[in-house]
Amino acid sequence: DQQVKQNSPSLSVQEGRISILNCDYTNSMFDYFLWYKKYPAEGPTFLISISSIKDKNEDGRFTVFLNKSAKHLSLHIVPSQPGDSAVYFCAASAANTGTASKLTFGTGTRLQVTL
Amino acid sequence: GAGVSQTPSNKVTEKGKYVELRCDPISGHTALYWYRQSLGQGPEFLIYFQGTGAADDSGLPNDRFFAVRPEGSVSTLKIQRTERGDSAVYLCASSSRPGTGIGGELFFGEGSRLTVL
Repeated sequence: DQQVKQNSPSLSVQEGRISILNCDYTNSMFDYFLWYKKYPAEGPTFLISISSIKDKNEDGRFTVFLNKSAKHLSLHIVPSQPGDSAVYFCAASAANTGTASKLTFGTGTRLQVTL
Repeated sequence: GAGVSQTPSNKVTEKGKYVELRCDPISGHTALYWYRQSLGQGPEFLIYFQGTGAADDSGLPNDRFFAVRPEGSVSTLKIQRTERGDSAVYLCASSSRPGTGIGGELFFGEGSRLTVL
């Protein structure tokens, strides 16, 4: 039962354009969402997060949008840079419940930013 | 070092053998997590320690898997009678506060790649 889904395994974007990575979730108890970025042979690194009380959070070139009614979130990267090429994982937690100890991850989207 | 350190980085073993994977969290981080990432999948939760105690071990797949954190710092993940299906990257993460709400972002190590032949 995949509670966090990233339906696009890969995405290719030209340098300077916008990258949009999508994530859907099924568990209505999730109230905190994060994006992690992973380079080969490295552990995931935290990128940006959003609480369910917000619908948008911005940090530099990265913006996360949350649509609770659709159980959908997206990560926008603009402008995309070659160094953004990595695998991006969406993750969720039920931070205000007894299961706050764990993050549930999606399967990841591999972003390639081309010159 | 400043980050989460995991050893060994690579481990190749034969089916049926016993394996230990070690995690040294960021200094001062009280929360420690183990995740497992299989090929083509996202990290999957195994166990969470708050201090020395396992606060949530609901992700351990069966009783062949066990983890300890005796002094509230370094943790060891132990796998008995390894099976080929145990092959994966085992990720350790630490956090400065319990839970995964705001401010509780996880800092991951580079992982230990386990291959069971």
